[in-house]
Parts: sequence; C-alpha cells; structure tokens
Amino acid sequence: EIVLTQSPGTLSLSPGERATLSCRASQSVSSSYLAWYQQKPGQAPRLLIYGASSRATGIPDRFSGSGSGTDFTLTISRLEPEDFAVYYCQQYGSSPRWTFGQGTKVEIK
Amino acid sequence: EVQLVESGGGLVQPGRSLRLSCAASGFTFDDYAMHWVRQAPGKGLEWVSGISWNSGSIGYADSVKGRFTISRDNAKNSLYLQMNSLRAEDTALYYCAKSSNSIMVTGYFDYWGQGTLVTVSS
Repeated sequence: EIVLTQSPGTLSLSPGERATLSCRASQSVSSSYLAWYQQKPGQAPRLLIYGASSRATGIPDRFSGSGSGTDFTLTISRLEPEDFAVYYCQQYGSSPRWTFGQGTKVEIK
Repeated sequence: EVQLVESGGGLVQPGRSLRLSCAASGFTFDDYAMHWVRQAPGKGLEWVSGISWNSGSIGYADSVKGRFTISRDNAKNSLYLQMNSLRAEDTALYYCAKSSNSIMVTGYFDYWGQGTLVTVSS
C-alpha cells in the first residue's frame, strides 16, 4: 500500500499570500495518478486537481499541481478568503486501494 | 447536475448491522464505478470500498474486508453498503463518491455526496 505523507500539517498564511503544500509518497505513484481535494468545515471534499496537474472543472487557475514519482505539490498562487480549508492528496494508481494523505490545514494567520 | 444523496446512517450497537444507500442522479450511473469513503470525527479520509460499473470488480479496505459488502442496482441508480459486525472504530461520516471512469483502476473521485453519519455505540 502506498502511504502519502503531507506537509506541513498546518499552514498559517494571510489572504493574498502564496501557499505551497507537499505530498510525498512511500513509493512511486503510477503515471502521476495523484489528485488533490479541498474540504471546508461541514462540507464534502471537492476535487481540485487530478493527474497531478490537471485542474478539475470550475477550479480557478490560482490552484495548480505539479510533481511526479514520489513528490507532489499543490500551489495556491494568491489565497482568497474561501481557500482556507483542509487539503488532501490521494493516489489512485495503486488499485484496488486508494489512499489519502492525512491532510494539510490552511488557516488564516 | 450530478447529485449523490446518502441515507441509512444512524446509531447502532456494536456487533449489529446497517445498510447505507446512495441515490445518484444527473449522470449515466451505469457508466461509472462508484466508491464509499469514510471520515471519522475530526480525522482524515479513508477509502472503504469500490465497485466497477457492472459489479464485475469490487474492492475493500483491509479494515472492513469480510464485514462490509458493496453492491449497486443500475436500474435504480443506487449504490449500497451493507455493514455487518459493526465496531466502535467504524463510527464515521460515510460518503458516496463517483469515479471518473467505469472500471476500478485509475479512477479519481470527481463528485461526492454530503455523507451519512454512522455511530457505533452501546
């Protein structure tokens, strides 16, 4: 089973700042089958990025994903008030087990 | 508009059973694999089970294997999770999620329901 480790656990930033979130896999993720989700309190997760770098439908271009192999990054270029949330990475190339990282909370500084 | 509506959660005693349902609309249900994902209170996301479009491929997390059974009824646009021998550690919000493709492998979760809460306690 591929284990995903996200860092940092919490990121304290101000609106307008740049956020960089890391996701490291215990072994190589097949064909960059890596997704990112955003979850706000009391809400279901929402797909942001798939295939490591492709934005999902309706996702603003301030969100971008990069990386391959075992190291992946989600970048939010300029934080908007609605971006403060918890972010999870997920690998979906190692079927039949889909695994998630433990999450990074982006909070207002 | 894609909609996934879970139901069937509630308070149940350890060792008892519960059946969750997920009603899907807004897309061609039998074109896609479907999954259950859970989230314990204050914790992260855990994949529970998945099923391919035609039920030909099914998978379970080790934590639920042998106790939970996933199924689907394409005629009713519905997904199910039969949960037996429930334990306190099964307490969580259970989400139904649509896969991005029809088969089990390589699909990410592009739509999620709002979840149904399962509490296992005596």
